Amino acid sequence: DVKVTQSSRYLVKRTGEKVFLECVQDMDHENMFWYRQDPGLGLRLIYFSYDVKMKEKGDIPEGYSVSREKKERFSLILESASTNQTSMYLCASSLGGRDHRGLRTEAFFGQGTRLTVV
Amino acid sequence: KNQVEQSPQSLIILEGKNCTLQCNYTVSPFSNLRWYKQDTGRGPVSLTIMTFSENTKSNGRYTATLDADTKQSSLHITASQLSDSASYICVVRAGSQGNLIFGKGTKLSVKP
Repeated sequence: DVKVTQSSRYLVKRTGEKVFLECVQDMDHENMFWYRQDPGLGLRLIYFSYDVKMKEKGDIPEGYSVSREKKERFSLILESASTNQTSMYLCASSLGGRDHRGLRTEAFFGQGTRLTVV
Repeated sequence: KNQVEQSPQSLIILEGKNCTLQCNYTVSPFSNLRWYKQDTGRGPVSLTIMTFSENTKSNGRYTATLDADTKQSSLHITASQLSDSASYICVVRAGSQGNLIFGKGTKLSVKP
């Protein structure tokens, strides 16, 4: 069974704090993703990584950075949290890599981290 | 612009009834289409995947259809249960190496 684990279910942080969201997957997947999900907007891609130390910007990367030092771990960093970053954050992983994202590869999601910035 | 539109936005049905959720997409080139179920406060879980050549795919009480000509998909839920209450998200992959394009979801509430 694929497991994608996010380090926290709920987080409350203050404006201006540096925030780390951690994600670990146990299926040796090449691809890992960070999304945020807001009411009425659906899931939006922040960053993704197709290999260790590789990263690509998604649709809304501003205010975020990521780190992938090991294949199984993908971290999302909010350098200086702001109230408009209050959201549900979802991590996902899938097989593939940059050139083999695959026709049928499924993205497996973590349980989500609900971040509130006050 | 690649887009996935879902309807209705929300739906309330009585337990035991059937329902159908719609997904229209303008994604090119099309690779595959998935339906995900997302329980409140949880991450999405895949229900079905369909490629260009597949018209129908079932997973228990869930049946997905795909019409690649009209770029429409539907998810039919038979004999609904209280546990079917969730958001259902339609996701289309743009090309074999492309990103996932997410619909905004349909929130289904099944009442006793």
